[in-house]
Amino acid sequence: DAGVTQSPTHLIKTRGQHVTLRCSPISGHKSVSWYQQVLGQGPQFIFQYYEKEERGRGNFPDRFSARQFPNYSSELNVNALLLGDSALYLCASSLTASGKYNEQFFGPGTRLTVL
Amino acid sequence: KNQVEQSPQSLIILEGKNCTLQCNYTVSPFSNLRWYKQDTGRGPVSLTIMTFSENTKSNGRYTATLDADTKQSSLHITASQLSDSASYICVVSGSNSGYSTLTFGKGTMLLVSP
Repeated sequence: DAGVTQSPTHLIKTRGQHVTLRCSPISGHKSVSWYQQVLGQGPQFIFQYYEKEERGRGNFPDRFSARQFPNYSSELNVNALLLGDSALYLCASSLTASGKYNEQFFGPGTRLTVL
Repeated sequence: KNQVEQSPQSLIILEGKNCTLQCNYTVSPFSNLRWYKQDTGRGPVSLTIMTFSENTKSNGRYTATLDADTKQSSLHITASQLSDSASYICVVSGSNSGYSTLTFGKGTMLLVSP
């Protein structure tokens, strides 16, 4: 069985541009979460989607948006890129949105570099 | 504010030796605590997950403990191998309005030296 997949693996953009990152969850998982991990730090929560609805949002500006499609895949969009947006963007999938044993499985991440 | 603090920040040990990583948290309400291993530039991989009622969980050479009273957890690695070199992240899950909130520590960077 395929795990969580993300594309692209690496991306280089310039300030002010827009970027779209994609994530496909594990088959059968209905929840997708997005995290930003700056070098040397732990991941920071951006969004959680469950059954195509936003269930949680972290402390990120409105330049960050996401959506989940009927097949449960997800896109993370970032507008007006800043140098500080350079990070590893992680997608995690889980069966449901919550629960004591609701484990999140992480994808390999997309490394975004903003020049 | 929910927080997870890990120590030490980094650690170097010789191959074959044991080590213990620490995690202190202030997360409420508490749902579970997980330890992840993250290789450089890769996504985190789950090692253990423990709920409030569990105080120890093993996964091969990895053993995690949880003291919910003092809000502390540890990850013990026995007979370390070169492949154990990675960042180890403590993650505490809470529940908020029907979805899980994950609070991540900054990780302990472990280097196993030959």
